[in-house]
Amino acid sequence: DGGITQSPKYLFRKEGQNVTLSCEQNLNHDAMYWYRQDPGQGLRLIYYSQIVNDFQKGDIAEGYSVSREKKESFPLTVTSAQKNPTAFYLCASSTGQGAKGGELFFGEGSRLTVL
Amino acid sequence: GQQVMQIPQYQHVQEGEDFTTYCNSSTTLSNIQWYKQRPGGHPVFLIQLVKSGEVKKQKRLTFQFGEAKKNSSLHITATQTTDVGTYFCAGRRTNAGKSTFGDGTTLTVKP
Repeated sequence: DGGITQSPKYLFRKEGQNVTLSCEQNLNHDAMYWYRQDPGQGLRLIYYSQIVNDFQKGDIAEGYSVSREKKESFPLTVTSAQKNPTAFYLCASSTGQGAKGGELFFGEGSRLTVL
Repeated sequence: GQQVMQIPQYQHVQEGEDFTTYCNSSTTLSNIQWYKQRPGGHPVFLIQLVKSGEVKKQKRLTFQFGEAKKNSSLHITATQTTDVGTYFCAGRRTNAGKSTFGDGTTLTVKP
């Protein structure tokens, strides 16, 4: 089945620790995205990548880092510099073609709780 | 930067009543997308509108894109309990590599 897989689904970490969230897609999509969702709020863009080995900061990139070494993988690291990391993290991908853009396919999300 | 405002934030309706959510962008959009997120789930794509004044229907759902391509609406006729969830719009400017999401409208339906 084609889709996006995020892991882990739930993650607990202590303050001061870095944590990496995995996102893998087998849809052959060029573009991948990381969003953060807080309770009762919309989706805020952290980072996005339109092509392998390239990525851009979104609206709330501070305290996060990403890499895009392979087309199918776009891991997100939440660093200790992120002041309030407890949130629901969603990865998405799209064909990203042209000005019309494309439908976003979301993974099931990773819920991070900092203790 | 680009802002996308969505209203209302919450809507509670009796089953069978209609529901509408509105989306307004501070800039002209190339396209607008609508997503539905069920409680505890992830957003799922509903539709994309591209043309000025476009209207699309999916069964009881009607989507509109404004003439100026700065606003959009989603209307649900005769809501059902299966319509429960949060509806998000996402607007993309021309040549932008990303869309900006509204904060969503959370719909609850009382049977």
